[in-house]
Amino acid sequence: DQQVKQNSPSLSVQEGRISILNCDYTNSMFDYFLWYKKYPAEGPTFLISISSIKDKNEDGRFTVFLNKSAKHLSLHIVPSQPGDSAVYFCAVYPPVDRGSTLGRLYFGRGTQLTVWP
Amino acid sequence: NAGVTQTPKFQVLKTGQSMTLQCAQDMNHNSMYWYRQDPGMGLRLIYYSASEGTTDKGEVPNGYNVSRLNKREFSLRLESAAPSQTSVYFCASREGGPNNEQFFGPGTRLTVL
Repeated sequence: DQQVKQNSPSLSVQEGRISILNCDYTNSMFDYFLWYKKYPAEGPTFLISISSIKDKNEDGRFTVFLNKSAKHLSLHIVPSQPGDSAVYFCAVYPPVDRGSTLGRLYFGRGTQLTVWP
Repeated sequence: NAGVTQTPKFQVLKTGQSMTLQCAQDMNHNSMYWYRQDPGMGLRLIYYSASEGTTDKGEVPNGYNVSRLNKREFSLRLESAAPSQTSVYFCASREGGPNNEQFFGPGTRLTVL
């Protein structure tokens, strides 16, 4: 059973507009969430993370929002650029893994973002 | 720093053949991981090694074995390849501790005919 769910397999956005990618999780004990970005024929690369003690984390054009009561997080990209076209994965560490050497990540199925000029 | 390297980049096998996927990291990380990525399925953990000398099963370990050769290297072996193992395989590494992300290699694209 999936620990994290990304229900939109694809999203298409015009350059300069906002991209919003969504992720839902099942376990209210999860407390640390990550977003990875993946280009074709490359490995995933870490983009941004958020801890459950926060409800927002920003890094340049990327902002992640966490709604713990809804067990939902979203990644906002503003403004979107054609170079942002990639697959975006939401991921979570189980609480017992985050601070340990176990560190097993559970991934969503990904959302393909296409930013067109 | 090369980060995480994987060999080979591509491989085609016939059903029943065996092969080993190699992974090495130069970041002195304790933990290493093998994932597979299938279309529409995200990344699923096959095996992991929390530290040198230890290995353990992930979500989808059937049909695979692993060896943590030393701190740098973590290999994945398919003893008798099956078409269901056609996938893209990623190796990753991480330093233990809170707020540490995993670093991924470029992947191995495996086709089993």
